[in-house]
Amino acid sequence: QVQLKESGPGLVQPSQTLSLTCTVSGFSLTSYNVHWVRQPPGKGLEWMGRMRYNGDTSYNSALKSRLSISRDTSKNQVFLKMNSLQTDDTGTYYCTRNPGYFDYWGQGVMVTVSS
Amino acid sequence: DIQMTQSPHSLSASLGETVSIECLASEGISNYLAWYQQKPGKSPQLLIYYASSLQDGVPSRFSGSGSGTQYSLKISNMQPEDEGVYYCQQGYKYPFTFGSGTKLEIK
Repeated sequence: QVQLKESGPGLVQPSQTLSLTCTVSGFSLTSYNVHWVRQPPGKGLEWMGRMRYNGDTSYNSALKSRLSISRDTSKNQVFLKMNSLQTDDTGTYYCTRNPGYFDYWGQGVMVTVSS
Repeated sequence: DIQMTQSPHSLSASLGETVSIECLASEGISNYLAWYQQKPGKSPQLLIYYASSLQDGVPSRFSGSGSGTQYSLKISNMQPEDEGVYYCQQGYKYPFTFGSGTKLEIK
């Protein structure tokens, strides 16, 4: 069955870099797009960017200067790196499959930016 | 960016009641509109895609409609498990954007 699972550190210091991994199963990264979406505590959803099935990437312009998404198809993994983290980057980060809509989501990983 | 204006912000309904949630896009999105339900501490779950297509496994009391810039989600025969926050999302143009959410509670 289709599954996505995020992993990464729960705590990041301000100005440091966040590195998250999304490990997928039940589908191929060369057939489906995978996106990253985040949610500050108690707030709404924000689209961050996507890894297309062919390796192309697209980013939210509000984050573009800090954000990088890559993948390793042999390991079925998509990576998110975001630098210069601030306290308002605190939240839950999700990876999600998108065949035109977000049909499967990971459980999310809570990231706290604090010293 | 396309702005998604969702209303109401919150809603209280009795069991068995029918409720509607609206979503207005700042420009036409050609039915590239999805609805999600999120429960506390959980990931969003897809309910409706392409404005009116019901995701597999979602009860038929959920339905979506609309076109152009105006879309709505209808929940018929409200059930206790329908409590949660509902979001609309446009997938027409990057950056994909979400509505601010509607919190639905049982009265």
